[in-house]
Amino acid sequence: AQKITQTQPGMFVQEKEAVTLDCTYDTSDQSYGLFWYKQPSSGEMIFLIYQGSYDEQNATEGRYSLNFQKARKSANLVISASQLGDSAMYFCAMREGGYGGATNKLIFGTGTLLAVQP
Amino acid sequence: DTGVSQDPRHKITKRGQNVTFRCDPISEHNRLYWYRQTLGQGPEFLTYFQNEAQLEKSRLLSDRFSAERPKGSFSTLEIQRTEQGDSAMYLCASSSPLPTGANIQYFGAGTRLSVL
Repeated sequence: AQKITQTQPGMFVQEKEAVTLDCTYDTSDQSYGLFWYKQPSSGEMIFLIYQGSYDEQNATEGRYSLNFQKARKSANLVISASQLGDSAMYFCAMREGGYGGATNKLIFGTGTLLAVQP
Repeated sequence: DTGVSQDPRHKITKRGQNVTFRCDPISEHNRLYWYRQTLGQGPEFLTYFQNEAQLEKSRLLSDRFSAERPKGSFSTLEIQRTEQGDSAMYLCASSSPLPTGANIQYFGAGTRLSVL
């Protein structure tokens, strides 16, 4: 069965430092997509970064990068130069199926609460 | 380019009452999703529309829940005879497989339901 595991319920990081949020996934599909979302206290889920299972390069979006290790089934999020505004809940999610995705639903992990300290 | 809009943001109701939520997707997105999120958990998939067709429903979507997307634009999620266990954040998302094929889902701010 498809599953996303986030083992860090909460993390602290000093402002301007880098932080890695862990995510492992389980799927029997060869084609899938991996996503990270940020959820501030306001509740909105904000898309951060996407990695396709066939993408050979790790995805990057500004200060966000996704460390994709397919053999280990891990998709860790790296945030460089943390800012106070990065304090939020972070969710890893997976969509089975290739581009377009026959199964379009996202499976989410339980999230990691990140607190950035000044 | 406006994002996904949900209304209302908050709803308090008494057990047994019916409630209806509305979602307006990003205008060029033909796919629309509903999720439910309870405290301390990630969102859980409820249902998915492609244009006006409801193509997938979760087992979480009991008979008391119904979703529609007339004309393939906005969508409504109705809960009949609400129960305290329905208290949650209801999130709507929309996506398009174009241009990259990644089908990234963009979420609204959610409707927080409290059933007393």
